[in-house]
Formats: sequence, C-alpha cells, structure tokens
Amino acid sequence: EMQVVESGGGLVQPGGSLRLSCTASGFTFSSYWLHWVRQAPGKGLVWVARMNSDGSSISYVDSVKGRFTISRDNAKNTLFLQMNSLRVEDTAVYYCAREAYSTSHWYFDLWGRGTLVTVSS
Amino acid sequence: EITMTQSPATLSVSPGERATLSCRASQSVSTNLAWYQQRPGQAPRLLIYGASTRATGIPARFSGSGSGTEFTLTISSLQSEDFAVYYCQQYNNWPPWAFGQGTKVEIK
Repeated sequence: EMQVVESGGGLVQPGGSLRLSCTASGFTFSSYWLHWVRQAPGKGLVWVARMNSDGSSISYVDSVKGRFTISRDNAKNTLFLQMNSLRVEDTAVYYCAREAYSTSHWYFDLWGRGTLVTVSS
Repeated sequence: EITMTQSPATLSVSPGERATLSCRASQSVSTNLAWYQQRPGQAPRLLIYGASTRATGIPARFSGSGSGTEFTLTISSLQSEDFAVYYCQQYNNWPPWAFGQGTKVEIK
C-alpha cells in the first residue's frame, strides 16, 4: 500500500524550531516531487513548500521564505521540513503530499494524515 | 500570482439531491485544475484533475467541468459520505500552488 506518514509535530514557543518528517512507503520515492501543505485550525489548505525528485529545485510560499527549509533523503524515503523562527501564525496541521503526473497534468494524489504544529507561549 | 475563489462558502443540500460548486481563477489556468474532498478529521483526497478527469476510484456521481477561469464540481446525487469540504487548486502557474478557500457541503 502506498502511503506517506508525517511526524515531528508538537508544541513550541514563538521563535523556536521544529523538524517535521514525512516517511514514504509502497512507491518509488525518488521519482516524485513532494510538497508540504498546511491547514490552520478551522481554515483552508495552504501550500507551503515543494522539492523536486532529486532535490535540485525548491520553492516556498513567501510567508515562510528564510525560515523554513525543505529537504529529502531519497535513500531513506523521507522528506523533511525544518521550521525555524516559528510564529503563532504557523500553527497548523502540516500535510505531506505527493505530486503525480498524467497526460500533461500534475496533481497531489497521495496525502498523509498530517502532523499538528502548535506555536504558543 | 493566481487567486482561486470558491462559491458558495457553504452549501446546504438534502441527501439524494444535486450539488453544484463553483471555482473561479483570477487569470486563466487552462484546464490545469484539481478538486479535493476533505472529510472532518481526514486528509484531503484527490477527486478530479485536468478539470474533468476523475481520479482512480472516484465514483461517477462526481464530475468536473470548465476551463480558463470558471470551473464547476457537480455531485449528481449526494450520499452521506459526500458531506465534506471541497477545495479547488490550480497548477497552471506555480509557485505557489493555490487552493481556493473551500466550500462546505452540509446536510440540509
């Protein structure tokens, strides 16, 4: 069964750091672009960051540039999100999502259950 | 940067009835649009990509249409498991991969 499982969330004070992990199984991890998407409590989905299959290309939403770093270890089938200088507004469930491709279309076809990050003093 | 706007915010529908959800892009995204369903406490699930292609395992009662800036998701006969929040997402111009704010389909 194909799946991605997030971990590493928790409670952290403003200004603190946290490292999220997304561990994949059941598919060839190194062939896929991967994304982090977050959802604040009671709010909608917001794309956060993306890394291509070999790690050579990265993108971030403006609100996290300079604070968050996405990375991956293809040998360990794991995607990471290093979050520094955390703010209260970063509080959210963070989802890992796989981007798939079919007939000139790209879409997020596999999602994890998410990990909750709470930034509070 | 493209903005996605969904309407209505909440749609009240009786089981067995038809639901029509709208999504508008601030500029053309061609047919590079996906729809996702999110049930309470669950991760999003891909329903539609390419504006009108159902993802694997998605029932035929879900259909998508549109191109350019105007898109529609139709659920032909609502089942109990369809009451959820639905999001559209564009992947024509990125980053960012923009989502709409969601439409909640609730039981009338």
